Amino acid sequence: DGGITQSPKYLFRKEGQNVTLSCEQNLNHDAMYWYRQDPGQGLRLIYYSQIVNDFQKGDIAEGYSVSREKKESFPLTVTSAQKNPTAFYLCASSSQREGIVGTDTQYFGPGTRLTVL
Amino acid sequence: AQSVAQPEDQVNVAEGNPLTVKCTYSVSGNPYLFWYVQYPNRGLQFLLKYITGDNLVKGSYGFEAEFNKSQTSFHLKKPSALVSDSALYFCAVRGSNSGNTPLVFGKGTRLSVIA
Repeated sequence: DGGITQSPKYLFRKEGQNVTLSCEQNLNHDAMYWYRQDPGQGLRLIYYSQIVNDFQKGDIAEGYSVSREKKESFPLTVTSAQKNPTAFYLCASSSQREGIVGTDTQYFGPGTRLTVL
Repeated sequence: AQSVAQPEDQVNVAEGNPLTVKCTYSVSGNPYLFWYVQYPNRGLQFLLKYITGDNLVKGSYGFEAEFNKSQTSFHLKKPSALVSDSALYFCAVRGSNSGNTPLVFGKGTRLSVIA
């Protein structure tokens, strides 16, 4: 988990609220990713960003939004349009550049567990 | 399209016995293959990867994996299982020519090592 932090660890949301999950990395990685994990379904990609100020939708982007204003940060907002947001959310980062920690490897943060009340 | 199959949802093994967690993949071009482990309520931890070179890759905690191109497999192995190896294991793949794109993950295999 080192080098990537996610906060908060646990988050509770009332129906109709937007919430923002934080992801920060100090690995100097260019790319960052958000995944959602549900029991028995593995990891599903929500959004990813390969460079600052650019991002692409993943397989399940509906009801989510992201921004990438800084290389180190990739926050995820879970909007009220997301009908079933209760899940474990994982952020990851990677780099293809030589000399960077773990070239070509995605490293993961510790996760945020979101529960809708 | 890229895909990963982990055919077993659950693998049970006695402590001290060898373990194998299976993974097969489909990708255009040459594969980059990865194994990760996840403990309860934690993020994924990188175990090992195959990029190129020797087909037998050694990783953390005594794990290894063998790349088999003809069978499109990348099974995870350990000669002697420990109770502490009990966790959820994920195999992942991307193509070597796909740039810094996301990995595609299998659905995971839960390993239970029984004392």
